[in-house]
Amino acid sequence: SQQGEEDPQALSIQEGENATMNCSYKTSINNLQWYRQNSGRGLVHLILIRSNEREKHSGRLRVTLDTSKKSSSLLITASRAADTASYFCATDRWGSGYALNFGKGTSLLVTP
Amino acid sequence: EPEVTQTPSHQVTQMGQEVILRCVPISNHLYFYWYRQILGQKVEFLVSFYNNEISEKSEIFDDQFSVERPDGSNFTLKIRSTKLEDSAMYFCASSAGQGGPGELFFGEGSRLTVL
Repeated sequence: SQQGEEDPQALSIQEGENATMNCSYKTSINNLQWYRQNSGRGLVHLILIRSNEREKHSGRLRVTLDTSKKSSSLLITASRAADTASYFCATDRWGSGYALNFGKGTSLLVTP
Repeated sequence: EPEVTQTPSHQVTQMGQEVILRCVPISNHLYFYWYRQILGQKVEFLVSFYNNEISEKSEIFDDQFSVERPDGSNFTLKIRSTKLEDSAMYFCASSAGQGGPGELFFGEGSRLTVL
């Protein structure tokens, strides 16, 4: 089964800086999503990009998708301490029974 | 804001015991899921459920696991005979499911500790 793999595994930046996380996957996808997880909490949906889209914005988030390279990136601009969390990409494919496959995540630490 | 609720938040059980984890999905959602996350590891898909039957299940979801929607609002995950390696955080999720899973709404999780 396909799986997203994020890099870096961990990222530490200062408030105000931009954070970029990458995700690679192995097989054709229908959609790619990014989720956020605060320590010990449930996952929260951030943004969904369809396979026929190349870029999408939501507030301080910018997601790109390159299906030829089977990769996506999540950019958080002007980061805040409250952005500290783990970020996961998740992919689904047609006929998958709606299963989402998550990557291992990037742990982001934003220091004041 | 509608939300997915899960109970219990934490359950401790002895190996070999049966465990039932409960979830109340968002009321107008059609697709329901269970995922698990072993401490510090990735979120793993267990099962998806639609129209009162399993849509897809992973290799993890073996005969020890079962799901049920007993009353139109609750969605349960049963582990018949727990093993040490079942210790994990179990997340329930639901989605409207129009043309694909779309956005999944997750509960806060049920932490299962098997001793």
